[in-house]
Amino acid sequence: SQLAEENSWALSVHEGESVTVNCSYKTSITALQWYRQKSGKGPAQLILIRSNEREKRNGRLRATLDTSSQSSSLSITATRCEDTAVYFCATRGADRLTFGKGTQLIIQP
Amino acid sequence: NAGVIQTPRHKVTGKGQEATLWCEPISGHSAVFWYRQTIVQGLEFLTYFRNQAPIDDSGMPKERFSAQMPNQSHSTLKIQSTQPQDSAVYLCASSYIKNTEVFFGKGTRLTVV
Repeated sequence: SQLAEENSWALSVHEGESVTVNCSYKTSITALQWYRQKSGKGPAQLILIRSNEREKRNGRLRATLDTSSQSSSLSITATRCEDTAVYFCATRGADRLTFGKGTQLIIQP
Repeated sequence: NAGVIQTPRHKVTGKGQEATLWCEPISGHSAVFWYRQTIVQGLEFLTYFRNQAPIDDSGMPKERFSAQMPNQSHSTLKIQSTQPQDSAVYLCASSYIKNTEVFFGKGTRLTVV
């Protein structure tokens, strides 16, 4: 079974709206990372949130981490068409980075 | 900083042939990862090196797959006797140490016909 998984296969919103991708995980972690992958590219890290942090921001992005419920969320405000991508959460234990299956986010004009 | 460099970007092999994929991690990074990505399985961990030493290869198929890191500037993933089910995008990534950003290459798309 997946150690980390996003809660939605796909989401679609209109440009300018806000959207949240949720993730749950099943193992103790030292950090949780959110990645974005655009077509033809490798995943690129958006936010790294450590296990002793509850929230992290990066521009229009905000990640939260709840270690008691083993869940995390990534919120994007004022979405743009270029935010269209697959979003992954990934847990990092001792060394290995384990990814969820990803959520396809489509931003419509 | 050119990022993680993977070559070739695309490779087509016939069933039963060997495929070697190359990765040049970012200079100074001590951790190197290999992942395989398919539509069905998503991003699967294959193997991990730290300071060139193999640390965790638990994701590697037991037969036909091998990975090496002969020096700090490159790693290879070799697949012997390729099969159609090996078709995937193989991604290499590197980072400094744990809990730091992991940088991915653009991947090698392997197609076995």
